[in-house]
Amino acid sequence: ETGVTQTPRHLVMGMTNKKSLKCEQHLGHNAMYWYKQSAKKPLELMFVYNFKEQTENNSVPSRFSPECPNSSHLFLHLHTLQPEDSALYLCASSQTGRDQPQHFGDGTRLSIL
Amino acid sequence: TQLLEQSPQFLSIQEGENLTVYCNSSSVFSSLQWYRQEPGEGPVLLVTVVTGGEVKKLKRLTFQFGDARKDSSLHITAAQPGDTGLYLCAGAQVPGANNLFFGTGTRLTVIP
Repeated sequence: ETGVTQTPRHLVMGMTNKKSLKCEQHLGHNAMYWYKQSAKKPLELMFVYNFKEQTENNSVPSRFSPECPNSSHLFLHLHTLQPEDSALYLCASSQTGRDQPQHFGDGTRLSIL
Repeated sequence: TQLLEQSPQFLSIQEGENLTVYCNSSSVFSSLQWYRQEPGEGPVLLVTVVTGGEVKKLKRLTFQFGDARKDSSLHITAAQPGDTGLYLCAGAQVPGANNLFFGTGTRLTVIP
């Protein structure tokens, strides 16, 4: 029981498709994050939302578009992706403030054909 | 920019052996967290260290934060197959900021 649920768990899409990843947290947290995890690379922070407001965009290409309608839900809209975007996309949540632990979902494994 | 380097990158040991994983940086962190990630799952927090020189123990796992708050180590005593996984350190650079910078990871395999 993680408290952070990501759907779908696996996604295969073509480069011209449009899809969305969904994340939901039931922990009462007010910060949510998207990370990209690729083989041979450290976990890369993509976006941060605090109280539904985006506070960090880590130079992510515009083909990734986040949306945070409320503190419990986070989406990542995908379109015109490239093969190098194939990776595990992880969502996390935490309380804001110093040294708060982050709680991760189990990720969406994305494959771009 | 690679802020946190972990070593070794891969480690395969026999059950019952001891091991140490290192997390090093040239940057100062206000705190450092250690996570373990098992296949098919997201990372799970093991511990947070916040004071330079701090040592925390979690059963067979011992975590230390360097005096200068630039590095950390994780020591496992008498490793068990259940310790297998990807170990990640993560640092917070600015007090109050909730962004974390993750290390390169150490993939540990404990052979029964």
